Amino acid sequence: GAVVSQHPSWVICKSGTSVKIECRSLDFQATTMFWYRQFPKQSLMLMATSNEGSKATYEQGVEKDKFLINHASLTLSTLTVTSAHPEDSSFYICSARDGIRTSTDTQYFGPGTRLTVL
Amino acid sequence: QKEVEQDPGPLSVPEGAIVSLNCTYSNSAFQYFMWYRQYSRKGPELLMYTYSSGNKEDGRFTAQVDKSSKYISLFIRDSQPSDSATYLCAIANSGGYQKVTFGTGTKLQVIP
Repeated sequence: GAVVSQHPSWVICKSGTSVKIECRSLDFQATTMFWYRQFPKQSLMLMATSNEGSKATYEQGVEKDKFLINHASLTLSTLTVTSAHPEDSSFYICSARDGIRTSTDTQYFGPGTRLTVL
Repeated sequence: QKEVEQDPGPLSVPEGAIVSLNCTYSNSAFQYFMWYRQYSRKGPELLMYTYSSGNKEDGRFTAQVDKSSKYISLFIRDSQPSDSATYLCAIANSGGYQKVTFGTGTKLQVIP
């Protein structure tokens, strides 16, 4: 099956610093990647959708200048949390859609990145 | 009204029991229905995917969709302790979708 990796799996940083999270599709080309945030005991909340080579589309209420998304290639998307604050502490999960090999619109999820901002 | 409603549980069952997990949705435009399993501190794993009313079976798992009632279910037969996880229903609108709406997830515990 399709494999999506994320790096790092866990990051702790000081308030005010920026953190970059990588999402890679390992065995397929991801035409579209999605970034989600999940708080404890809550469901996944879509933050933004990114298509390779174009600007990301952000969901309402998500600050695009704070959560920078770059989808520079068909196998890599990055999310940078700029000037992170404790309220940004969450579980960030990416997913990727294989829109080339399959006609089904399934998403394959990465293992998630736990961000803790002190 | 939320687009997708799912009982958060927790749901505890003895090993070997049949588990029934359910979601309701409000928008009849939704056409694609998925169930994901998420272990603690891990990303969701796709279990089942369907786009039509009726049943779809895969091993011990059966996904059921009733579009007339806007109701979807996941049944787990012969439940195992390894099935203990949070199960998320997910729904998307028709073709070329860009956004999937997730339920809040039901936490399942299978007791040996």
